[in-house]
Amino acid sequence: DAGVTQSPTHLIKTRGQHVTLRCSPISGHKSVSWYQQVLGQGPQFIFQYYEKEERGRGNFPDRFSARQFPNYSSELNVNALLLGDSALYLCASSLETGREKLFFGSGTQLSVL
Amino acid sequence: DQQVKQNSPSLSVQEGRISILNCDYTNSMFDYFLWYKKYPAEGPTFLISISSIKDKNEDGRFTVFLNKSAKHLSLHIVPSQPGDSAVYFCAAKKETSGSRLTFGEGTQLTVNP
Repeated sequence: DAGVTQSPTHLIKTRGQHVTLRCSPISGHKSVSWYQQVLGQGPQFIFQYYEKEERGRGNFPDRFSARQFPNYSSELNVNALLLGDSALYLCASSLETGREKLFFGSGTQLSVL
Repeated sequence: DQQVKQNSPSLSVQEGRISILNCDYTNSMFDYFLWYKKYPAEGPTFLISISSIKDKNEDGRFTVFLNKSAKHLSLHIVPSQPGDSAVYFCAAKKETSGSRLTFGEGTQLTVNP
């Protein structure tokens, strides 16, 4: 079975632009979470979606938004990009939303110039 | 406010010896703790977890110890192997917080042959 897949793997944008990152969870997993990892730091929680509903939101500005589709795939959108948005964006999936371990994708490396 | 801290950015050990990675947390509401391993260009991979009702959990070469009074956990790897060389992240969550993990900054473990 395929693991969590994310696209694109790398992306270069300029300040003020908009970006959409995509994630396909492991088959059968209904929960998708997004994390931001800045160089030298641990991943930081952005969003969780379960059964297409937002179940949690981290301390990120409204420029960040996400959604989950009926097939449980997900998109993360970031508007008005800032230099500080440069990071590795990780998607994770799990069966449900309790103590199940998260399975992470390899991430999308976003560079904002 | 860094609620989960890994104070050692790096650790180097000899193959066959024990590796001990440490993690401290400040939020007493955390009741579930996990360790993830990350290789370059890959997403974090789940290693081992422990509930706050336990003080030890073992899985093969990996053992996690939890000291709730000190708000401290550690990961022991015995014996260490060169393939264990990676960044290790400690993470914590509240049972009711779904997939919202709070990660530490990570420790780069290098196991020398």
